Amino acid sequence: DVKVTQSSRYLVKRTGEKVFLECVQDMDHENMFWYRQDPGLGLRLIYFSYDVKMKEKGDIPEGYSVSREKKERFSLILESASTNQTSMYLCASTPEGSNQPQHFGDGTRLSIL
Amino acid sequence: QKEVEQDPGPLSVPEGAIVSLNCTYSNSAFQYFMWYRQYSRKGPELLMYTYSSGNKEDGRFTAQVDKSSKYISLFIRDSQPSDSATYLCAMVIQGAQKLVFGQGTRLTINP
Repeated sequence: DVKVTQSSRYLVKRTGEKVFLECVQDMDHENMFWYRQDPGLGLRLIYFSYDVKMKEKGDIPEGYSVSREKKERFSLILESASTNQTSMYLCASTPEGSNQPQHFGDGTRLSIL
Repeated sequence: QKEVEQDPGPLSVPEGAIVSLNCTYSNSAFQYFMWYRQYSRKGPELLMYTYSSGNKEDGRFTAQVDKSSKYISLFIRDSQPSDSATYLCAMVIQGAQKLVFGQGTRLTINP
């Protein structure tokens, strides 16, 4: 089975802090994704990566950046956290190619105070 | 108008009932369809993955796709309290990597 592991289940940070969310997958998948999930808004794509050091903006990239230095690891960075970034963050991965279903981690519930 | 519409519920039914969950979409380019189940405080897990119009069955779950009507459904037979979760539909355009999700329907099965 595909295993997508997010380093923290719950995280509390302060406004203005730089925040790192880490995601690791163990299936040698090429594609990795970061979403946020909010009540009433569903899942919204922040960034995705289809290869090491490659990234593409999703639907809501503002205030976020990403890093993919190794194939198995995809990091989401909040450069200067704000309260409106309080959310559930989900990481997902798929193998190379299109039309693939995504495999998700269990999420990081991030609170910005 | 959203590309994918899904009634958020909540939907509450008695144990043993047949549950019908639905999504409609506007873009006829969507060719692959998925249903995910998400338990509270967990990530979505893939339940069903379909391509062609028609039905696909897996145990108590049946996924139905009607491309002509741009309508997909998930049926749950003999529903159990353990089926209580949020169900998300998702779809992808042929050749693409990005999924488009419905908002999710919160389902509760009452013992």
